[in-house]
Amino acid sequence: DGGITQSPKYLFRKEGQNVTLSCEQNLNHDAMYWYRQDPGQGLRLIYYSQIVNDFQKGDIAEGYSVSREKKESFPLTVTSAQKNPTAFYLCASSIGGGTYEQYFGPGTRLTVT
Amino acid sequence: AQSVTQLGSHVSVSEGALVLLRCNYSSSVPPYLFWYVQYPNQGLQLLLKYTTGATLVKGINGFEAEFKKSETSFHLTKPSAHMSDAAEYFCAVSGLQGGSEKLVFGKGTKLTVNP
Repeated sequence: DGGITQSPKYLFRKEGQNVTLSCEQNLNHDAMYWYRQDPGQGLRLIYYSQIVNDFQKGDIAEGYSVSREKKESFPLTVTSAQKNPTAFYLCASSIGGGTYEQYFGPGTRLTVT
Repeated sequence: AQSVTQLGSHVSVSEGALVLLRCNYSSSVPPYLFWYVQYPNQGLQLLLKYTTGATLVKGINGFEAEFKKSETSFHLTKPSAHMSDAAEYFCAVSGLQGGSEKLVFGKGTKLTVNP
């Protein structure tokens, strides 16, 4: 089955630690995205990548980093510089840019204490 | 820049009643519009999309939406609500930001279906 996988589903970390969230897709999509979701805030774009070895900052990139070394993988690192990292993180992919629908993974809920 | 406004963060209907979720958009170019559904602790699933052509778009689970350019609206409807429709719904518009096309999402509307 084609789709997007995110692991783990739940993640707990202590404040001051970096943590990496995994996102893998087997849809052969060129574009991949990371969103952060907070209650009542909708989805906010963190980073996106339209091609391997290239990525751009979204609206709330501060405190986050990404890499895109393979077409199917787009990991997100939440660094200790992110002031409020506790949130639900969603990864998505699409064939191309914004005119194409995005397919979403199941999400990772990160709790930092 | 493109933007989306979803009117009503919470909507409550009775089972069997009409579902109407409102979405207004702002776009400087002909928009591509999307509705997504999210069940608790899950990712988003595409319900339907409007690109070009017919302004009444049918999606999954009996939902449909009508693109009205004059009103800059793309409201989501379903004639008869089912308990399984309880979820959060997001409207999105494609937008050009920083030289790249991205989706801009509304803040979501949580639908409650009462028995």
